[in-house]
Amino acid sequence: GAVVSQHPSWVICKSGTSVKIECRSLDFQATTMFWYRQFPKQSLMLMATSNEGSKATYEQGVEKDKFLINHASLTLSTLTVTSAHPEDSSFYICSARVTGGPYGYTFGSGTRLTVV
Amino acid sequence: QKEVEQNSGPLSVPEGAIASLNCTYSDRGSQSFFWYRQYSGKSPELIMSIYSNGDKEDGRFTAQLNKASQYVSLLIRDSQPSDSATYLCAFQGAQKLVFGQGTRLTINP
Repeated sequence: GAVVSQHPSWVICKSGTSVKIECRSLDFQATTMFWYRQFPKQSLMLMATSNEGSKATYEQGVEKDKFLINHASLTLSTLTVTSAHPEDSSFYICSARVTGGPYGYTFGSGTRLTVV
Repeated sequence: QKEVEQNSGPLSVPEGAIASLNCTYSDRGSQSFFWYRQYSGKSPELIMSIYSNGDKEDGRFTAQLNKASQYVSLLIRDSQPSDSATYLCAFQGAQKLVFGQGTRLTINP
């Protein structure tokens, strides 16, 4: 149980275009979704926390106008990278906290974004 | 001081031996601790969670928590090449998980 489905698993886009990443909780309601970015050989960096029905909270240094987060329902959160540039190329991972069980936080499978 | 300190490694252990991974944390109020395993190019997967002082065993894995020393560890017995990965420790902070930088573990056949 407690599965978060993340799509796409990889995407290549041209510089200046936008990319949307979706995360769906399949068998539980995710009131809070966390979005991370991970560069090679580095740990996860929390970008923002989204709560269903309200605005996301961004970590210091993360541009909220560039990384648009929408959490319109209890089972879907999206991250849109707008006007992507090569430096946005990274591994993006969503995560949701699962209460009432041993799962702690469950992670999506990640999206490898390459901007060319 | 970082909130979570881990030795980044790489830690190299022969197959069949015990791998010991360590983590210290700064927030004395933390109650929940987690060990995640992350293979290259994949997202983290939960290995163990621990909430009370002492040891918690699950198969070949044992997590140890010492809140007085603000220390949490993970032991992997009978290490296998498939255990080669980066291991991330994390604790439950205020409204979010706080991760260490990860320890890269290599099991040598």
